[in-house]
Amino acid sequence: KAGVTQTPRYLIKTRGQQVTLSCSPISGHRSVSWYQQTPGQGLQFLFEYFSETQRNKGNFPGRFSGRQFSNSRSEMNVSTLELGDSALYLCASNLGASGSEQYFGPGTRLTVT
Amino acid sequence: GNSVTQMEGPVTLSEEAFLTINCTYTATGYPSLFWYVQYPGEGLQLLLKATKADDKGSNKGFEATYRKETTSFHLEKGSVQVSDSAVYFCALSPNYQAGTALIFGKGTTLSVSS
Repeated sequence: KAGVTQTPRYLIKTRGQQVTLSCSPISGHRSVSWYQQTPGQGLQFLFEYFSETQRNKGNFPGRFSGRQFSNSRSEMNVSTLELGDSALYLCASNLGASGSEQYFGPGTRLTVT
Repeated sequence: GNSVTQMEGPVTLSEEAFLTINCTYTATGYPSLFWYVQYPGEGLQLLLKATKADDKGSNKGFEATYRKETTSFHLEKGSVQVSDSAVYFCALSPNYQAGTALIFGKGTTLSVSS
């Protein structure tokens, strides 16, 4: 069974631009979550989508948004990029039941200059 | 609120040494607890998990026991190898709400030398 895939793997953007990251979950998984990983803040939860609906949201500004499609693929968008948005963005999928283990993708490394 | 506290690293050990990485948590209700590992340049992999008090998760020689009375989930391994060098994250998933969001500790870097 194929794992979680994320595209692109690396991205360089300029301050003020916007960016869209993509995540394809493991087949059959209906929940997709996004996390931001930085050296200073560690791993922080952004949001979770389940059956095309946002089920949970972390404490991030509205510039961070996401969506999920009917095939469970998910996209995350960041508008008006700031230098502090430079991070590794990780996507994880699971079956959706509370307490389920999450399966992580390799991440997208975003650098904002 | 929910939070996870891990011992600060880095932890530096010689091969075959005993490993303990401390993890304590604060949570509402009865969360599920996890240890994830991140090897250099890779995403996170689940190492082990426990879903209720006194459960012991184990995998690849690593063990951790869910202790509700001390709100702890310490990771242990009897004999570490160089290949265990990685960053280890303790995490919890609240079970009082729908969803599977994980709350992570800061991570502990383990370096094992031969």
